[in-house]
Amino acid sequence: DTGVSQDPRHKITKRGQNVTFRCDPISEHNRLYWYRQTLGQGPEFLTYFQNEAQLEKSRLLSDRFSAERPKGSFSTLEIQRTEQGDSAMYLCASSPPGWRDLSYEQYFGPGTRLTVT
Amino acid sequence: LAKTTQPISMDSYEGQEVNITCSHNNIATNDYITWYQQFPSQGPRFIIQGYKTKVTNEVASLFIPADRKSSTLSLPRVSLSDTAVYYCLVGDLGYNTDKLIFGTGTRLQVFP
Repeated sequence: DTGVSQDPRHKITKRGQNVTFRCDPISEHNRLYWYRQTLGQGPEFLTYFQNEAQLEKSRLLSDRFSAERPKGSFSTLEIQRTEQGDSAMYLCASSPPGWRDLSYEQYFGPGTRLTVT
Repeated sequence: LAKTTQPISMDSYEGQEVNITCSHNNIATNDYITWYQQFPSQGPRFIIQGYKTKVTNEVASLFIPADRKSSTLSLPRVSLSDTAVYYCLVGDLGYNTDKLIFGTGTRLQVFP
């Protein structure tokens, strides 16, 4: 078990460019989550997948944001036409099937820090 | 979802016990109380969870009074490596939603 991995760890881009982040959850975890965290704040929920189905999206996820999990394994988060306000840490988390019968625990990756200049 | 209130920051010294209290006056019957820890440049990490009374694991203890309107995370004999942000979350364990709702957390600074 290598934990949740995210790539890249850091991304600097110019305003208006598109960026894509990748998340590899812990194997056997069928639930995958994306959160965004700005300096001094707690993580904010963006979206959630169960297998390949995107089951919930936050209003924070504007139409410039899109997330996919095509085969129910890794996921990508794309931001189109980036804005300076998109600068944040983007966190991915996963949880195993049947977690509701266990602890309310999500396993977080190290995050991708996005800086939009 | 119940709103939580916790101190913005706390200071302690190595070897001391640290208690962080979280208020959640509007906690619902189905809500559990969960604490996460976050180190700089890392994702949050689950610490402990409880519904009522006391829960203890190898990392911390969680005390929840009978009215469940508050809870206290207790960290025994803290070390420098316990310097982190601690988040109190209250929710219904995902029966209606799977998302975690974080507040601003408590920034714990441990001094030598």
